[in-house]
Amino acid sequence: QSVLTQPPSVSGAPGQRVTISCTGSSYNIGAGYDVHWYQQLPGTAPKLLIYGNSNRPSGVPDRFSGSKSGTSASLAITGLQAEDEADYYCQSYDSSLSGSWVFGGGTKLTVL
Amino acid sequence: QVQLVESGGGVVQTGRSLRLSCEASGFTFSSFGMHWVRQAPGKGLEWVAVISYDGSYRYYADSVKGRFTISRDNSKNTLYLQMNSLRGEDMAVYYCAKDQISCPALCHYYGMDVWGQGTTVTVSS
Repeated sequence: QSVLTQPPSVSGAPGQRVTISCTGSSYNIGAGYDVHWYQQLPGTAPKLLIYGNSNRPSGVPDRFSGSKSGTSASLAITGLQAEDEADYYCQSYDSSLSGSWVFGGGTKLTVL
Repeated sequence: QVQLVESGGGVVQTGRSLRLSCEASGFTFSSFGMHWVRQAPGKGLEWVAVISYDGSYRYYADSVKGRFTISRDNSKNTLYLQMNSLRGEDMAVYYCAKDQISCPALCHYYGMDVWGQGTTVTVSS
């Protein structure tokens, strides 16, 4: 199991708002390490979607937003579109044991 | 444009070795830390290894420690992953990814902003 916990799947109708949670611990998110989110469209490489908890790289629509509180983080997508159907991963740094970069298990977003 | 291109994947028998390469272009390769991340068939992303901009810091996931070695040649703008004693669970698409910013040692607080297209490693018994 992953150090960061995400729901396996979420779904929503076009135009709706969905959120994806990412739950960590006091060794990663709770220790103050930033959370980043990646979007992986089918058959493609991951793409940085949100960095530093809530910042969008240039070119990412403002329909995507991120937040962090305590040992958890969330990705919100508003005005859901068909092309948002993808896998989404959270990522942070974990300071336990020897330390490592860690990903969540991923969440499959289905646009109904 | 900023680009990472992996190569070196293929079919290899259990216990054998393989070396992956990742050629960078469009940015100052020698200024950025680099990662290898893998994805087993139908599974999520797994971080594998990181190397600092100058190669002085290297860290590995427990699952590959002692078997894999990350290295870089800044004169060739190329990142490498030497994989020894390959196991079935190493079968995956391997991506190289660039640190988002240039850090003095390792970037613990930043993401990976550029990814390659991936190279597939198949381990057969």
